[in-house]
Amino acid sequence: EIVLTQSPATLSLSPGERATLSCRASQSVSSSLAWYQHKPGQAPRLLIYDASNRATGIPARFSGSGSGTDFTLTISSLEPEDFAVYYCQQRSNWPPLTFGGGTKVEIK
Amino acid sequence: EVQLVESGGGLVKPGGSLRLSCAASGFTFTTYSMTWVRQAPGKGLEWVSSISSSSTYIYYTDSVKGRFTISRDNAKNSLFLQMNSLRAEDTAVYYCTRVTYDSSDVQKYYFDYWGQGTLVTVSS
Repeated sequence: EIVLTQSPATLSLSPGERATLSCRASQSVSSSLAWYQHKPGQAPRLLIYDASNRATGIPARFSGSGSGTDFTLTISSLEPEDFAVYYCQQRSNWPPLTFGGGTKVEIK
Repeated sequence: EVQLVESGGGLVKPGGSLRLSCAASGFTFTTYSMTWVRQAPGKGLEWVSSISSSSTYIYYTDSVKGRFTISRDNAKNSLFLQMNSLRAEDTAVYYCTRVTYDSSDVQKYYFDYWGQGTLVTVSS
């Protein structure tokens, strides 16, 4: 099973700041990685797939990079609606499909 | 508009059973694989089970094998999860999700639409 480790667990930032979230895989997943945003009481939302492709309707301030075992989600300038929990997910070697433990982006 | 609406959650005693349903609309259900993902209280997301468009391929996470059964009714645009021998650790919000295709129409096991979820609580 591929384990995804996200860091940091919590990121405290102010609106307008840049957020950099990390996801590390226990073995290579090539570019087969996605990022999701999840707000309390809402359905998760697909942001990025195949490491760097924005999903339909996702603003350009969200970008993904990386391949192999190290991946980054960057939010270039935080908007108030971006404070949420973010998860990475791999589909390279499954079953099982696996998610990271999440990074909470909170208002400083 | 794509919609996924789960139902069937509730409180059940350990060892009991529940059947979750997901009503899909706004897309051609018969051409998409579907997946159940859950989130235990205070925890992260966990993949539970997936089923291909024609039910040919079915997969489960190890912890539910032999207890849960995923199925679909393409005539009724519906996805199901039969959960038997429920345990306290199955307590979670269960989300119905659609497996996405990329711009080249290649199916990729990411999830582009999610329902609002249905809460399953296993407790005596």
